[in-house]
Amino acid sequence: AQTVTQSQPEMSVQEAETVTLSCTYDTSESDYYLFWYKQPPSRQMILVIRQEAYKQQNATENRFSVNFQKAAKSFSLKISDSQLGDAAMYFCAYGDTGRRALTFGSGTRLQVQP
Amino acid sequence: DTGVSQDPRHKITKRGQNVTFRCDPISEHNRLYWYRQTLGQGPEFLTYFQNEAQLEKSRLLSDRFSAERPKGSFSTLEIQRTEQGDSAMYLCASSFVEQETQYFGPGTRLLVL
Repeated sequence: AQTVTQSQPEMSVQEAETVTLSCTYDTSESDYYLFWYKQPPSRQMILVIRQEAYKQQNATENRFSVNFQKAAKSFSLKISDSQLGDAAMYFCAYGDTGRRALTFGSGTRLQVQP
Repeated sequence: DTGVSQDPRHKITKRGQNVTFRCDPISEHNRLYWYRQTLGQGPEFLTYFQNEAQLEKSRLLSDRFSAERPKGSFSTLEIQRTEQGDSAMYLCASSFVEQETQYFGPGTRLLVL
């Protein structure tokens, strides 16, 4: 069974600084997808960034980028120029073409200090 | 495109009562998923549909839970004889068959007293 591990329950960053959230996963599949979702307090989960495992190039979306290390089964999220609105729970998630359901990690709560 | 919607947003019920939640996916999405999220945890998969067919059910989905998607559009999740352990956020997500990205609704927060 696939598992996703987020080892940092909480992280804190100063406004305008850079922070990296860690995620590791375990799978025997070769074709899969990885996602970072953001869940602000009492608000719905939104997609931050997605990575296909067959792509060697790391995905980027504006201030958000990932470091995808397939051999190490690591998928970290870097947030540059952190903003107050980035404060939220961040969930790493795994999905593959064989099983459509996403497997989520336990989340990292990010605080942004002004 | 208004995104995934869920109704109600909050539900308080007494133990033993039945509850039903509704999810309206993004209109062109033919896959629909239900997840459950307890406080401080990531969502856990319950079940998913492709069009009207229910293709997978988690072991979390006990026989008190039933989900339908009768015309391949909206879906309902019913919990019979609710228990306090059913208290959670119930999330719905949808995706397009050609993509793997799931888009989530705002959730229904259930409190069983």
